[in-house]
Formats: sequence, C-alpha cells, structure tokens
Amino acid sequence: DADVTQTPRNRITKTGKRIMLECSQTKGHDRMYWYRQDPGLGLRLIYYSFDVKDINKGEISDGYSVSRQAQAKFSLSLESAIPNQTALYFCATSTTGGRGDEQFFGPGTRLTVL
Amino acid sequence: GNSVTQMEGPVTLSEEAFLTINCTYTATGYPSLFWYVQYPGEGLQLLLKATKADDKGSNKGFEATYRKETTSFHLEKGSVQVSDSAVYFCALSPSGSSASKIIFGSGTRLSIRP
Repeated sequence: DADVTQTPRNRITKTGKRIMLECSQTKGHDRMYWYRQDPGLGLRLIYYSFDVKDINKGEISDGYSVSRQAQAKFSLSLESAIPNQTALYFCATSTTGGRGDEQFFGPGTRLTVL
Repeated sequence: GNSVTQMEGPVTLSEEAFLTINCTYTATGYPSLFWYVQYPGEGLQLLLKATKADDKGSNKGFEATYRKETTSFHLEKGSVQVSDSAVYFCALSPSGSSASKIIFGSGTRLSIRP
C-alpha cells in the first residue's frame, strides 16, 4: 500500500469552479507539503505545514488555500480555478526536519482547468 | 538566493552507455544536495543525497559527489539500462533550513534506447 496517497488522480474542471485536492499519509510524519509541477519549471512549493496548527505559504501560494485536518491529512483548495493552474500537483511528507531529510511524494494529481 | 541549474533535456542514450547529468547550485553556507527521480506516472523518489562537501551519494549504480569548490553535484552512471528512463531532478536544502525546504531544478528527461 502507498504511504502517501492523493485523490483524485486526474481532474478536469472549468474556470471559476472550486476544487479540492486531498492528500493522506500513513508514514506518521509531522510535515506535509504541496507542490505544483510545470514543464521546464521543476517543482514549486505552494504551502507547507509543520503540524496540525501550523500552516505556511510557499513561493506560489496566491490562488490557493490549504487545510490540515489531522496529522495524516492535508488538503489543497483552488477557490476559483483558472486555466494557468493547469498542472501536476504533488503532496509530500517529511520528518521533523534536519540536514538531508528526505521528502516522500504521492503519485500526483493531474489537474486541467478549461 | 538559492537556486539549482541542471542540464536541459531530453537526453537520449543507448543501453550500456555512460551517463552524466550536470547540476550546479547557488547557495550560502553548506546546503544538503539531492537527486530525485520521477518514473512515468509516479511521484518523485529520492535517488541519492550528500550532506557535506566531498561526500559521495550512491544508489542503484548512480553516483554524485558534492563539490563545494565548483558548486556542483553531477549525476553519473557507468552503464544505463532501459529501466533508467525517467525524469531526474537535482535539488538542495539550504543550510540552517528548519522547514525542510527543498529547492528543485527544472528536471532532465532521460530516455534509454534498447
């Protein structure tokens, strides 16, 4: 069974719709992250969370919001989707943070905004 | 600021060829350095890492050496296989980073011909 799961895996929606992407993990990690991947741009950090009560903006948080419902769950919302939010979205987790800590990634959600 | 630059792809090689994917970085202090790999349809997974100067990370026949003097972390493999076809990301975690932040390069797509 996958340690980091994301739902849905694919989603097509229309401009202006509200969308929620969900992430769950069974690794017991405190830290969770949302990234988006665009061709030629690598991964860019949207939001990250150290624990249930801690939410932080990443480099590209505009147009997005998040909710950390539990240690194991971290959701990303697009309140009013626009076409340039079409991308591959990844959730990731890590332990408490130290030099060289690895991040563990989910399989990704491919979002298309028409 | 912190950044990672890696060679643009796609890179196409024949099976058993020697592979080098160049990666250079800009960062203050001594960041941790990583190579992540993304196989088709999957999330990223850690391939190898190095946390201090002159360290060599290795895994699955891949190697990379942390070169502080040239700010580089080039990925090498002596004999590639078709199963190595994937996208490879060089990344760094800034020194003193308490948020486990990882900064990714843009990725290099590798295709191996049988």
